[in-house]
Amino acid sequence: DTGVSQNPRHKITKRGQNVTFRCDPISEHNRLYWYRQTLGQGPEFLTYFQNEAQLEKSRLLSDRFSAERPKGSFSTLEIQRTEQGDSAMYLCASSLPPSGVSYEQYFGPGTRLTVT
Amino acid sequence: AQSVTQLGSHVSVSEGALVLLRCNYSSSVPPYLFWYVQYPNQGLQLLLKYTTGATLVKGINGFEAEFKKSETSFHLTKPSAHMSDAAEYFCAVSDRSSYKLIFGSGTRLLVRP
Repeated sequence: DTGVSQNPRHKITKRGQNVTFRCDPISEHNRLYWYRQTLGQGPEFLTYFQNEAQLEKSRLLSDRFSAERPKGSFSTLEIQRTEQGDSAMYLCASSLPPSGVSYEQYFGPGTRLTVT
Repeated sequence: AQSVTQLGSHVSVSEGALVLLRCNYSSSVPPYLFWYVQYPNQGLQLLLKYTTGATLVKGINGFEAEFKKSETSFHLTKPSAHMSDAAEYFCAVSDRSSYKLIFGSGTRLLVRP
């Protein structure tokens, strides 16, 4: 078990460009969450998947953002036409199905996006 | 809607002193509560959680927290601070449908030698 991995760890892009981030969850985890964390703030929920189905999207997820989880394994988060306000740390987390003993989300190291 | 308030964006303690980080929540249903720690440029690591049962919860690295329903609080404590405890700490409440986490704004713990 290597934990949740995210790539790239850092991304610098120019305003208006598209970027894509990848998250590989812990292998047996069927839930996958994306969060965004801006400087000095706690993470904010963006969206989550159960297997390949995207079950909830935050109003923070504008139409420039899209997330996928094909085949219920890894997930990608794409931002189109990036804006300076998109600069943040994007965190991915995964978990087992919620049960009587487990509600824990395990976080990856994050992808830090800087839009210039 | 659920929410979390962490009082004090920065807390400074001397090494060996008591650590107390405050968290109050708002929830219309019995909450699931969590404390996470974040070191610079890293993801979040779970310290401890409360779901049901015993209200005093023990976590990793000597931390513990007590769920007090009457005060809607879940404060984090550690009897004796260590230099390695310096980090950002986040309290979170979990939604019981999606189980998404709703975080407070965090408290940065500084430990003075």
